[in-house]
Amino acid sequence: GAVVSQHPSWVICKSGTSVKIECRSLDFQATTMFWYRQFPKQSLMLMATSNEGSKATYEQGVEKDKFLINHASLTLSTLTVTSAHPEDSSFYICSARTGQAILATNEKLFFGSGTQLSVL
Amino acid sequence: SQQGEEDPQALSIQEGENATMNCSYKTSINNLQWYRQNSGRGLVHLILIRSNEREKHSGRLRVTLDTSKKSSSLLITASRAADTASYFCATDDGNNRLAFGKGNQVVVIP
Repeated sequence: GAVVSQHPSWVICKSGTSVKIECRSLDFQATTMFWYRQFPKQSLMLMATSNEGSKATYEQGVEKDKFLINHASLTLSTLTVTSAHPEDSSFYICSARTGQAILATNEKLFFGSGTQLSVL
Repeated sequence: SQQGEEDPQALSIQEGENATMNCSYKTSINNLQWYRQNSGRGLVHLILIRSNEREKHSGRLRVTLDTSKKSSSLLITASRAADTASYFCATDDGNNRLAFGKGNQVVVIP
């Protein structure tokens, strides 16, 4: 099946620094990738949708200057948390959807393993 | 916006028993999907049911969908310890985004 690789798995950083998280589709082309944030024992909150070669679409309330998303190729999207603060500490998960016309494959999401960010 | 909303249950069952969890949503959907998440990991797709389907099976999983009540249920039969996880429903309204519910924590005791 389709594999999505997300790195790093966890990161600890000082307040004020920036952190980059990578999301790669290993065996398929991901025309669309999604970035989610998840607090402990809670659901996934969609942060933004990124399409290859275009600007990301952010959900309401998500600061696009703080959470920079780049989807420069069909296999890589990055999320950069700029000037991180303790309140940004969370579990960040990416997912990808193929752009292929195989309907059954196109509708479901393939998830990365997530990144636990802790900002001190 | 979050559409799918599971009943906020934390199920604790014995191995071999069945586990049932429910999900309700508010708007029209194209399909509804169930995902599993092991602690601290990403989500894994389990099963998808389309809006014109009422029931679907996949191995030990059985999903039902009642569009008139805007609800779905996931049944795991003959549960195993490895089924211990959080289960999320997600609704697809056809706009290229999934809205996830709150999740159900299931613990299967060996």
